[in-house]
Amino acid sequence: SQQGEEDPQALSIQEGENATMNCSYKTSINNLQWYRQNSGRGLVHLILIRSNEREKHSGRLRVTLDTSKKSSSLLITASRAADTASYFCATDSGGSNYKLTFGKGTLLTVNP
Amino acid sequence: EADIYQTPRYLVIGTGKKITLECSQTMGHDKMYWYQQDPGMELHLIHYSYGVNSTEKGDLSSESTVSRIRTEHFPLTLESARPSHTSQYLCATRSQSGANVLTFGAGSRLTVL
Repeated sequence: SQQGEEDPQALSIQEGENATMNCSYKTSINNLQWYRQNSGRGLVHLILIRSNEREKHSGRLRVTLDTSKKSSSLLITASRAADTASYFCATDSGGSNYKLTFGKGTLLTVNP
Repeated sequence: EADIYQTPRYLVIGTGKKITLECSQTMGHDKMYWYQQDPGMELHLIHYSYGVNSTEKGDLSSESTVSRIRTEHFPLTLESARPSHTSQYLCATRSQSGANVLTFGAGSRLTVL
């Protein structure tokens, strides 16, 4: 079963608005990562937040992690049309298997 | 720019054909992965490798096979393709040390008629 579940499945906003995507997971994690995927392409790593961190920033990205609720959110501020993509959270449960488990993703459309 | 290459990017073939999807990386990473992704859906891990001569099946059962004879290459083979194999196949690597982050190739989109 999938570890991460993103919410909403799809989000449509206007340029300049903020976009918030949420991710919930089921088991304990070492870290949680967010990836971006442009249509028909591979995924690109955006940001990683460790289990002992609560918030992290990178440019226009802000990620929060609440391990008590097993949830994370990704905020993209001042969105641009170029931000249109699918966004996936991925959980790393640690251990020796080095595997990431991905959620179903949120399709973000930023209208010019 | 990621130094991981997948070929072909697009492939349309008939049922019963044998196909190999190539994945090459120039970063010297030990760990490599194959994910399968249907349109608009999540990624499912189908194979992974921790190094040369090491291959493991992933979380999703797949009729494909992989090999890891050289660090740089991690090809995926389907002996007899079927329409149910139609999907996008994504190859990824992970460095041995430092941040445990995946670097993905652009993907191979397979259509089996």
